[in-house]
Amino acid sequence: NAGVMQNPRHLVRRRGQEARLRCSPMKGHSHVYWYRQLPEEGLKFMVYLQKENIIDESGMPKERFSAEFPKEGPSILRIQQVVRGDSAAYFCASSPSRDNEQYFGPGTRLTVT
Amino acid sequence: QKEVEQDPGPLSVPEGAIVSLNCTYSNSAFQYFMWYRQYSRKGPELLMYTYSSGNKEDGRFTAQVDKSSKYISLFIRDSQPSDSATYLCAMSAAGANNLFFGTGTRLTVIP
Repeated sequence: NAGVMQNPRHLVRRRGQEARLRCSPMKGHSHVYWYRQLPEEGLKFMVYLQKENIIDESGMPKERFSAEFPKEGPSILRIQQVVRGDSAAYFCASSPSRDNEQYFGPGTRLTVT
Repeated sequence: QKEVEQDPGPLSVPEGAIVSLNCTYSNSAFQYFMWYRQYSRKGPELLMYTYSSGNKEDGRFTAQVDKSSKYISLFIRDSQPSDSATYLCAMSAAGANNLFFGTGTRLTVIP
């Protein structure tokens, strides 16, 4: 049973470009969570999605960030007009239901130059 | 005040030692408690998952939750060099959508 898959593993973008991060949950998991990890800081919740629905985006910056989890295909975290402060590791986690263990992917390390 | 406090270390112990890692928290609504292990530049790996107070043991790992003190611990017995990693505590309230993480404790087990 494959774990949570994320790609790309490393992404370099220049300021002002768009970044698209993809996450495929574990088989049988329909709940996806995105977290951001800044250097020397803990993981911070960004958004929680189920298929085709955003359930909780209270941790998402109000501008430039969006997320989706379509009926078919992976969940996408999209960052428009990236700035240097967006440089971080972005982790996706999945679970079979709410109040269940969350399993994390390997992360995407975004570097904005 | 942060929701979850965790001593960042670093913590260095000799091989075979018992390691104690701890977190405190402020939100009495937290019901689910987890420990993750994260190797450098990798994703967090779930080690232990417990609900409410009590102890849970899995091999060399024991997780303890004391809700009255808002304090959780992870004990590692017979520590190995392969245990060298950052250990993250995490917790959530019932029906909540997200986990709250500590900043992690960096552990080095010296052969």
